[in-house]
Amino acid sequence: KQEVTQIPAALSVPEGENLVLNCSFTDSAIYNLQWFRQDPGKGLTSLLLIQSSQREQTSGRLNASLDKSSGRSTLYIAASQPGDSATYLCAVLISNFGNEKLTFGTGTRLTIIP
Amino acid sequence: NAGVTQTPKFRVLKTGQSMTLLCAQDMNHEYMYWYRQDPGMGLRLIHYSVGEGTTAKGEVPDGYNVSRLKKQNFLLGLESAAPSQTSVYFCASSYPDPAHEQYFGPGTRLTVT
Repeated sequence: KQEVTQIPAALSVPEGENLVLNCSFTDSAIYNLQWFRQDPGKGLTSLLLIQSSQREQTSGRLNASLDKSSGRSTLYIAASQPGDSATYLCAVLISNFGNEKLTFGTGTRLTIIP
Repeated sequence: NAGVTQTPKFRVLKTGQSMTLLCAQDMNHEYMYWYRQDPGMGLRLIHYSVGEGTTAKGEVPDGYNVSRLKKQNFLLGLESAAPSQTSVYFCASSYPDPAHEQYFGPGTRLTVT
């Protein structure tokens, strides 16, 4: 059974710092990995999606990497801002074409200190 | 383009009562999903649909039923609510292509007393 782990569960950093969020998964036979952002009391917003054949994806100040063989992904946030404060979730897709299933980690709650 | 919407946003039920949660999407997505989110457990898939008229069980389907009579709507029903079903419920949709991400609704917070 696929398990997705995000450590630490919470992280606080001063504004302006670069930071890395971690995601690990137990079964490397994934189709893709997706990073989401969740604000308190809100739904999930997709940030980046990395296909299994890709090594990284970038969007603005965000960069996500994927190492399938080691079962790890990282989300790098450059020049952090207070508006980046949220919970970040990673999820892996383990199959497709009619049997899609995203397995989620429990998230890292990020606080950017002004 | 409203994306994925959910009705209602909040609900309190008593044990044994029934209710239906409605999810609607206007992106012409084939796939739709229902998840529940509980503290410390992440999001777990309840049921999903790969197209109009189809449904399938996810990871935690017991106590729930679903229907997809129209492509744009996916209904989640609780026939006899239990306190263990207290949770935040999220609906999502996507194209039938793993290259595309899932889009989520704002959630429904359900409390069963």
